[in-house]
Amino acid sequence: GAVVSQHPSWVICKSGTSVKIECRSLDFQATTMFWYRQFPKQSLMLMATSNEGSKATYEQGVEKDKFLINHASLTLSTLTVTSAHPEDSSFYICSALRGSSYNEQFFGPGTRLTVL
Amino acid sequence: GENVEQHPSTLSVQEGDSAVIKCTYSDSASNYFPWYKQELGKRPQLIIDIRSNVGEKKDQRIAVTLNKTAKHFSLHITETQPEDSAVYFCAASISFGNQFYFGTGTSLTVIP
Repeated sequence: GAVVSQHPSWVICKSGTSVKIECRSLDFQATTMFWYRQFPKQSLMLMATSNEGSKATYEQGVEKDKFLINHASLTLSTLTVTSAHPEDSSFYICSALRGSSYNEQFFGPGTRLTVL
Repeated sequence: GENVEQHPSTLSVQEGDSAVIKCTYSDSASNYFPWYKQELGKRPQLIIDIRSNVGEKKDQRIAVTLNKTAKHFSLHITETQPEDSAVYFCAASISFGNQFYFGTGTSLTVIP
């Protein structure tokens, strides 16, 4: 159990376009999901916390108007990179928290975004 | 916010030897400390975790120790095998459901 999927696994887009990434918890409900960004050979950088039914909480330095997060249901959170630029190219990973008393975090497989 | 530091950044050991990775955290309110293993191009996988009410936890060849007073925790891998080669991340979380803050990662290479 505790499977998290992410779609697409990779995407190439032109500069100025928007890209939507989906994160789904397949066999459990997740009121909280996280979105991370990971650069090559670097750690995971938390971008925002996505809470079902409420606005996302963004980490300092992350532009909320550029990285739109919607957590519309207990199994789905989406990250939309708006007006993408080459510097947005990165590996984006989501994760979902399972349970209310435990803090178990399960990661999606990640999405490789390349902006030309 | 929480600041997690991790050392070393790279570690090479001979197969069969032990490997130790250390992390420190800054916020005494952190109460959950998971360790993740990430193989190249794959998602991080939880390998072991420890909560602040426990000082040590062991799972076969993997163990984690926590010193709340000093605010540091360590991952110990014994009898290392080539398949242990990966990047390992420590993390700290302040209360259930809150954000996780990750260390910078340790690239472990086990030499056959």
